Amino acid sequence: GAVVSQHPSWVICKSGTSVKIECRSLDFQATTMFWYRQFPKQSLMLMATSNEGSKATYEQGVEKDKFLINHASLTLSTLTVTSAHPEDSSFYICSAREPPIAAGGLQYFGPGTRLTVT
Amino acid sequence: GEDVEQSLFLSVREGDSSVINCTYTDSSSTYLYWYKQEPGAGLQLLTYIFSNMDMKQDQRLTVLLNKKDKHLSLRIADTQTGDSAIYFCAERVLMTTDSWGKFQFGAGTQVVVTP
Repeated sequence: GAVVSQHPSWVICKSGTSVKIECRSLDFQATTMFWYRQFPKQSLMLMATSNEGSKATYEQGVEKDKFLINHASLTLSTLTVTSAHPEDSSFYICSAREPPIAAGGLQYFGPGTRLTVT
Repeated sequence: GEDVEQSLFLSVREGDSSVINCTYTDSSSTYLYWYKQEPGAGLQLLTYIFSNMDMKQDQRLTVLLNKKDKHLSLRIADTQTGDSAIYFCAERVLMTTDSWGKFQFGAGTQVVVTP
């Protein structure tokens, strides 16, 4: 299957600072990428849908000024957690969608980024 | 309530078959998926089934879909210790704002394989 990478895999930052997480589709062009958040022993919660070259669409309850998403190219989307607080500590997973003409447009997930805010 | 429901835990002995069940509510689902998540890792796509199919088999994995009852199951034959993980059921739901649709995930079933 297709490969989606995330960087970093693990980050610790101090409260009040910002941290950027990168998501890349390595062997396909992804016009749409998704950002999810996962709390321990829970399912994935969709935060936002990112379309290349346009503004991200945020799910209800997700602060767009706190979670900045940029999808500048067909292979890269970034999530920046601004002014991070301990409650932002979580596992963040990105996902990229293959173009619909290929394999029914499957959605592949990155390995996740563990964010710990101290 | 949850749009996609799964039992939270399954214990199975090595070599036996595992069956993980999932129910969903949205009749506009087009594709249904099974993902595997190992500790500290992202989601790995295991298999998927189109909503007009009843069954799909892929090596040790068999997916059964009962569209009338909105019930999806994943059977793992000859379960191995490496199959211990959390398994997520997901449906792709059509949206008016997005022709491709949006994923709805279940809470995940933790499968523990004992020797």
